[in-house]
Amino acid sequence: GAGVSQSPRYKVAKRGQDVALRCDPISGHVSLFWYQQALGQGPEFLTYFQNEAQLDKSGLPSDRFFAERPEGSVSTLKIQRTQQEDSAVYLCASSLARTGRQPQHFGDGTRLSIL
Amino acid sequence: KNEVEQSPQNLTAQEGEFITINCSYSVGISALHWLQQHPGGGIVSLFMLSSGKKKHGRLIATINIQEKHSSLHITASHPRDSAVYICAVGTTYNTDKLIFGTGTRLQVFP
Repeated sequence: GAGVSQSPRYKVAKRGQDVALRCDPISGHVSLFWYQQALGQGPEFLTYFQNEAQLDKSGLPSDRFFAERPEGSVSTLKIQRTQQEDSAVYLCASSLARTGRQPQHFGDGTRLSIL
Repeated sequence: KNEVEQSPQNLTAQEGEFITINCSYSVGISALHWLQQHPGGGIVSLFMLSSGKKKHGRLIATINIQEKHSSLHITASHPRDSAVYICAVGTTYNTDKLIFGTGTRLQVFP
């Protein structure tokens, strides 16, 4: 497809389980971003990649959160030992250029519910 | 105080009305983005601007750098414009990391 693809669209997990969320960016896009959006709030930055390099992970809320982009294309956000406060929509976005002067293209998000 | 603030939080309008959504920010910016989010989560980038004014169809975005303020206008609003509109900024100290407002929920009734 032409857009950013995220899977799964919905994920329900029990507290304590590990989850993995996938993002397939637009082909050729250098930059990839992960955001967390709580209900009724704007998205909040989690982490950012340029190609395979994770340049900023200052938004990851705890060491239970881990992101990778090993070949500079597909990225995975992993959450270990999930907690109820991890319930949110996780958005992935990609952009063409290495700077912040290009628009970001967003996926539809993964809605994560922790029971 | 949030670095990016939007007003109003909620907005209802009748079809055909002119709509304005405001965004104020307190940081130095490299660019300001207006985004549209429909129910179900998908976000679409409407505008990215660092000065002046941009127009696309019935949508107009303006920015005043000195006053640190931007507005999104919708002319001749339509029920399909109903969505959450989000303002986001890339800062001068970190151009790649967007800071988002909490969004304005717009409902346009026929």
